Amino acid sequence: RKEVEQDPGPFNVPEGATVAFNCTYSNSASQSFFWYRQDCRKEPKLLMSVYSSGNEDGRFTAQLNRASQYISLLIRDSKLSDSATYLCVFSGSARQLTFGSGTQLTVLP
Amino acid sequence: NAGVTQTPKFRVLKTGQSMTLLCAQDMNHEYMYWYRQDPGMGLRLIHYSVGEGTTAKGEVPDGYNVSRLKKQNFLLGLESAAPSQTSVYFCASSYSRQGYEQYFGPGTRLTVT
Repeated sequence: RKEVEQDPGPFNVPEGATVAFNCTYSNSASQSFFWYRQDCRKEPKLLMSVYSSGNEDGRFTAQLNRASQYISLLIRDSKLSDSATYLCVFSGSARQLTFGSGTQLTVLP
Repeated sequence: NAGVTQTPKFRVLKTGQSMTLLCAQDMNHEYMYWYRQDPGMGLRLIHYSVGEGTTAKGEVPDGYNVSRLKKQNFLLGLESAAPSQTSVYFCASSYSRQGYEQYFGPGTRLTVT
């Protein structure tokens, strides 16, 4: 099983839609979880950390399900500026961060 | 405050040539990392450093060497470039290894022909 599995998409959604991504991880010892955002031909940037109780930052909600070993990202009221690739990130084996290959989101006008 | 900078931004090498990629950070971070990003593969860790004078291997270290002579700089070397090393290389730094945000440089696009 891959350390992290992420649906590559693309997800094409209209402005104002709600969209959700899931990401599964195989290392049950993972302690830290994040969502990063990467714009086309740019560097990744931290979008938000993911906490056990779930957390929200404006239109973005992140959740962690340890039993099923996945994290999720929900984006409400999508904006054109949300178009990007979203990377799920875990503390992986050998105590390093493991990055998913990303889910591509395009928000259409 | 420039954050993390990388030079060069683009480079084309012929097979067998060597080069050094430079990463610099001005945030006084202890940890620095070199990743490569290939289509459909995600970011893969090449080497990392937990402090000045220390380096360690990541997931895909073969064909690369690194040095961290100064806290703010982390160099990635390719001694004999191969087409398989065509990739986008990102440097990152963080205050500590886990649980803290990694700040990335803008990347270096390397093509080996």
